[in-house]
Order: sequence, then C-alpha cells, then structure tokens
Amino acid sequence: DAGVTQSPTHLIKTRGQHVTLRCSPISGHKSVSWYQQVLGQGPQFIFQYYEKEERGRGNFPDRFSARQFPNYSSELNVNALLLGDSALYLCASSKPMNTEAFFGQGTRLTVV
Amino acid sequence: EDQVTQSPEALRLQEGESSSLNCSYTVSGLRGLFWYRQDPGKGPEFLFTLYSAGEEKEKERLKATLTKKESFLHITAPKPEDSATYLCAVQLGSGNTGKLIFGQGTTLQVKP
Repeated sequence: DAGVTQSPTHLIKTRGQHVTLRCSPISGHKSVSWYQQVLGQGPQFIFQYYEKEERGRGNFPDRFSARQFPNYSSELNVNALLLGDSALYLCASSKPMNTEAFFGQGTRLTVV
Repeated sequence: EDQVTQSPEALRLQEGESSSLNCSYTVSGLRGLFWYRQDPGKGPEFLFTLYSAGEEKEKERLKATLTKKESFLHITAPKPEDSATYLCAVQLGSGNTGKLIFGQGTTLQVKP
C-alpha cells in the first residue's frame, strides 16, 4: 500500500504570494493533520480534519486554512506568505483521530 | 501548559556504544506517547506507541519504555545507519482531537 503522499516536494514562493499544498492519506485513513516544522525544531500542529470537518486548529494565523475532500485528501492553503513561513510542511494520516499518525515526506516551502 | 522536552539535543556515539534518549513530559492527561525517527529532509517515520506506565516495546536495536513522567528510547549496539533525529510526541486524553505535541528532537550520530 502507498503511504501518505504530498505534493509538491519543494517549492519557492515570493513574499505576499499564496501557496496550496496537497496531501493524499493512506488508503482507509479518514483523518488528516497538518504540521509545520522549522529547521531544528519539532513539528508544530496546524490543523486536523476528520470526515471532511475541521476537528482541531493550532496557534497559527488566519492566513493558514485547509480543507478535506470527499476522498479524504486534503489541501493546506497559506495566503500572504511571509519569510517566516519557510519550513517543511508535513501531512499525517490516521484511521480514527486518536491513533498512530503516519507522515508523508513533506513539502519544503521556501519564501524569498 | 502541555510540554515535551527531549534530552540530550545531540548525541554522538561510536558504533556498538549503547545509550538512551530521554523524553520528559508535563501534560494535562496523556493518552499515548509516540516515538518517530526522522532523516534529514524527510518526514517522521513511526517507531512506537506507548500507552501506560511500565509498558515497553522493542524493534531491532531500539527499545522504548514509559513512566508517568518520561519515556526512554534505549539504543543497543547502534550502527551508523541508526544516525537520525529521534522525535518524541504526546497525544492528550479524552476530548482531544488527536493532535501530537512534539519535543525538539535528539539528533543521534553513530560513527563507525
């Protein structure tokens, strides 16, 4: 079975632009979570979606938004990009919400 | 405030030199503690979940243990391929969405 897949793997954006990151969960997993990991730190929780509804939100500004589709894939959107948004964005999927989470390879976002 | 602290931040070992990594936590109600391995530029790879004090789990040269305040990841006779960052994360109890709170990680280097 395929693991969690994220696209794109790398991208470079300019300050003020908008970005959309995509995630496909493991087959059979209905929960998707998004994390931001800056260099040298552990991942920080951004959002969790289960059955297409937002079930949790971390301490991130409203520039960050997400959604989950009927096939359980998900998008993370970030508006008005700042230099500080440069990070590895990780998607994790799990069966019900409170079980082991399996991560994708991440999307490396660089804002210049 | 829920918090996870890992020590040491970095650890250098000779091949075959056993050691332990520490993860201490102060949370309002622990549902589970997770260990992940992360290689540079990649997403975290799931290793173990521990749910109750006294629980132990093993995988190859790795053994994870849990007490009421901390967890240890013991590495027995490590090999250079064990070099990676090891992340500890906690998942809170009932009413929680399932988000993970991560420590900052321990970067392990094993020299041949």
